[in-house]
Amino acid sequence: EAGVAQSPRYKIIEKRQSVAFWCNPISGHATLYWYQQILGQGPKLLIQFQNNGVVDDSQLPKDRFSAERLKGVDSTLKIQPAKLEDSAVYLCASSLDPTTNEKLFFGSGTQLSVL
Amino acid sequence: GQNIDQPTEMTATEGAIVQINCTYQTSGFNGLFWYQQHAGEAPTFLSYNVLDGLEEKGRFSSFLSRSKGYSYLLLKELQMKDSASYLCAVRDLDNAGNMLTFGGGTRLMVKP
Repeated sequence: EAGVAQSPRYKIIEKRQSVAFWCNPISGHATLYWYQQILGQGPKLLIQFQNNGVVDDSQLPKDRFSAERLKGVDSTLKIQPAKLEDSAVYLCASSLDPTTNEKLFFGSGTQLSVL
Repeated sequence: GQNIDQPTEMTATEGAIVQINCTYQTSGFNGLFWYQQHAGEAPTFLSYNVLDGLEEKGRFSSFLSRSKGYSYLLLKELQMKDSASYLCAVRDLDNAGNMLTFGGGTRLMVKP
């Protein structure tokens, strides 16, 4: 079974530039999550999708971050404009159905460095 | 909201046993997960507890006490490859989407 795919693996940009990350979840997984993990900390949920609808985006800095999952499969996360404090690993995860407490499967993440 | 606490770092010796504790405060507890994360890699699932008691899976065991808001992960017969961060995560029914919130992680260093 293929895992959660993410790209790019690494990205280096300057502050105020824009960046986008892509995620392809495990086939059949209805729920998709984007987490931000700053070095030395645990992952922090940014946004959770159920199919193509947003379930929770309360911790997404909406002035600069946006995410979409138009067809209920792939998702993109965008930062515009980036700040130094956005340097982190952005993890995408998917699960079958959170209401049944299915475990999350994570992708390898995109490591973002903002200079 | 949720508050999940776990020690930042622990050190143990190869072949020994180590216990990593996690305490949490949540209004709508709906399960606790432990994940392992090696440096530079994605978290991988270790265990899941929703009822009180001990869940054993090979060298790893996880315990939950819902009344105390407490869990621990027990690693036996430590191996060098067990050096990693261990993340405690809690599901909360009172958060939209049965949200899973992670603690800060415990970095375990296994020494020869």
